[in-house]
Amino acid sequence: AQSVTQPDIHITVSEGASLELRCNYSYGATPYLFWYVQSPGQGLQLLLKYFSGDTLVQGIKGFEAEFKRSQSSFNLRKPSVHWSDAAEYFCAVGASFGNEKLTFGTGTRLTIIP
Amino acid sequence: GAVVSQHPSWVICKSGTSVKIECRSLDFQATTMFWYRQFPKQSLMLMATSNEGSKATYEQGVEKDKFLINHASLTLSTLTVTSAHPEDSSFYICSGEGRKGEAFFGQGTRLTVV
Repeated sequence: AQSVTQPDIHITVSEGASLELRCNYSYGATPYLFWYVQSPGQGLQLLLKYFSGDTLVQGIKGFEAEFKRSQSSFNLRKPSVHWSDAAEYFCAVGASFGNEKLTFGTGTRLTIIP
Repeated sequence: GAVVSQHPSWVICKSGTSVKIECRSLDFQATTMFWYRQFPKQSLMLMATSNEGSKATYEQGVEKDKFLINHASLTLSTLTVTSAHPEDSSFYICSGEGRKGEAFFGQGTRLTVV
C-alpha cells in the first residue's frame, strides 16, 4: 500500500530564510508526486507535481522540489520565504495526474516569524 | 486556475441530525468529484469518488448509508452526513477533476457534532 510521511508537524522559520519541508513516500510503482498548500479558509492549491524527467521540479510561488528515488523522498524547498508562505503544506502520492486514490501526508504547518 | 466552492466552511450540529455539504465547480464541469476527510493530526483520507449521474464509489470502511453522496450535475456534488455523531466531527474537503485530470480542491468544511 502506498503511504506518505511528513515527519515535521510544525516548522517555524524567519522571513527571508530558506525552507525545506520533508516528504518520504512508499509506492510500489513509479509514483506521481504532488505538493499542495492550504492557507486558512482556502482550498488545497497545487504547488508542483512530478512524474518523470528532470528530478528537480519548479512550481509556483518560487517553490521547487527534488525527487530522489534512492531515498524515496520528494522534499519541498524555497530559498527565501515570505510571510505569505505561512500555511499548511501537504505532500501526496498517486497513480496518475488525476487525483484518484491520492494518498496524503499528515501535513506540515509552516509559521513565519519576522 | 479552476475554482471549487465548498459550503459551508464550518457547521455545528446536534448529535442525531443530518448535515449537507455542497461542493460546486464554478468555472468548469467536473465529471468526477472526490470527498476526503481529515481527522486532527492525520492525513486527508479519500472517502468516496462520485461521478455525475451514477452512484458514488466508497472506499473501504466508509459507510455509504451514513455518508450520502449525490452528484446530480456536472457542477454540483453533495455529501450528507446522516444521523451525525461526535465521532463524525472532522474536516471534510471535496475536489473536482478538471479536463486534464488535475485536482481542484474546495475550501473544506469543519464539522463539529455536539
